[in-house]
Amino acid sequence: GQNIDQPTEMTATEGAIVQINCTYQTSGFNGLFWYQQHAGEAPTFLSYNVLDGLEEKGRFSSFLSRSKGYSYLLLKELQMKDSASYLCAAMDSNYQLIWGAGTKLIIKP
Amino acid sequence: GAVVSQHPSWVICKSGTSVKIECRSLDFQATTMFWYRQFPKQSLMLMATSNEGSKATYEQGVEKDKFLINHASLTLSTLTVTSAHPEDSSFYICSAREPRGAREQFFGPGTRLTVL
Repeated sequence: GQNIDQPTEMTATEGAIVQINCTYQTSGFNGLFWYQQHAGEAPTFLSYNVLDGLEEKGRFSSFLSRSKGYSYLLLKELQMKDSASYLCAAMDSNYQLIWGAGTKLIIKP
Repeated sequence: GAVVSQHPSWVICKSGTSVKIECRSLDFQATTMFWYRQFPKQSLMLMATSNEGSKATYEQGVEKDKFLINHASLTLSTLTVTSAHPEDSSFYICSAREPRGAREQFFGPGTRLTVL
C-alpha cells in the first residue's frame, strides 16, 4: 500500500534549526512536496523535490533520497510565525498526492 | 504564482439543506481540480478528483450522491453537499492543477462549513 510517515509534533526554540523527517512508500514516484498549513487556513506550497539532493530556498531547505524513500524539511533561524503544521506529500505514478498526517511545529521563545 | 479562490469562505446552514461551494482558478486553466476535507487536527483527506468535462472520481468511502461535483469549465468546479448533517461540518479545501502533466497543486483558501 501507499504510506507517508512523519512525526506528529515537534517543538523548537526561536532562532534555532529544526528538521522534519518524512518517509514514503508509493506506487511509482513523481516527486515529494512540502506544504505549510497554519491553523484554520489552507496549505501553502513550500517545496518540490524529484531528484536526489538538497534544494535551498531562503530559510527553508528540502532534501530527498529516492533510494531510501526519505525526505526532510529543514527550517533555519526559526521565527514564531513558523509555528504551523508541515505536510509531506508524495506524488504517485498517477500524479495523485499521497498525504502525510502533518507535523505540528511549536516554536517557543 | 497561480491563484485559486473559493466561495464562500464560511457557511452555516440547517440540517437537511444543501450547500454549494465554488472553486475557481483565477489566472490559469485547471484541467484537474481536487476536493479535500479536513477535520480538526487531522490531515487533508482527498474526497474526489474532477477533470473538466468528465465525471469526478471519488475516493473510497465518499458518497458521490451526497457530494456532487461539477467541473463544467476549465476555471470552475463546484462541490454541493446535499442534505447536509452536523457530521458534514468540516473545512473543505479545493486545489487545482495546470494542464496535464503539471505537478504542483494550488490550493484555495478553504470553506468552513458548519451544519446546525
